[in-house]
Amino acid sequence: EDQVTQSPEALRLQEGESSSLNCSYTVSGLRGLFWYRQDPGKGPEFLFTLYSAGEEKEKERLKATLTKKESFLHITAPKPEDSATYLCAVQAYNFNKFYFGSGTKLNVKP
Amino acid sequence: DTAVSQTPKYLVTQMGNDKSIKCEQNLGHDTMYWYKQDSKKFLKIMFSYNNKELIINETVPNRFSPKSPDKAHLNLHINSLELGDSAVYFCASTQGNTIYFGEGSWLTVV
Repeated sequence: EDQVTQSPEALRLQEGESSSLNCSYTVSGLRGLFWYRQDPGKGPEFLFTLYSAGEEKEKERLKATLTKKESFLHITAPKPEDSATYLCAVQAYNFNKFYFGSGTKLNVKP
Repeated sequence: DTAVSQTPKYLVTQMGNDKSIKCEQNLGHDTMYWYKQDSKKFLKIMFSYNNKELIINETVPNRFSPKSPDKAHLNLHINSLELGDSAVYFCASTQGNTIYFGEGSWLTVV
């Protein structure tokens, strides 16, 4: 069964304290892995797409990496404005289906 | 300028009522979705339409009926609302492999 598991469920960091979020997945034929950011009361906002193992993408303090079984979202020197829930999703080769994890709620304290 | 817009944003209604949520996208995408997000932030696909045709219909009670009058619109009608229907409903659209979400509709059934 295709599924996505994210860990940890919640993460509290001090401003400037780097860390990583994990997304492990099982899917029959990975077409793409996606990271989204969701702020309270808002819809998920697209961050990155990764297509193959070894691929990396960066945006400001965020870097996403992909292996054959998991993806990491690395946050370097986070700021309070990085506080949000980060969602991971995978797209199977039945490419109209996207499977989402339950997210990691990140709280960065000043 | 909103790419995917849905209305209403907030909806409080009594059990047994019938309600609708409307969604429109101005991205020119062929595929639209309805997702349900529960209290644990888990996003679960309900329906997907491609160019007005239903292509994904997950295990959803038949009290939920999507309607797509054209490829830019996908509405969700819910009959005989139950307490367990309380959730956030997100409309989304995609062309290929990136989903763009609306801001969400917060449904509370009392």
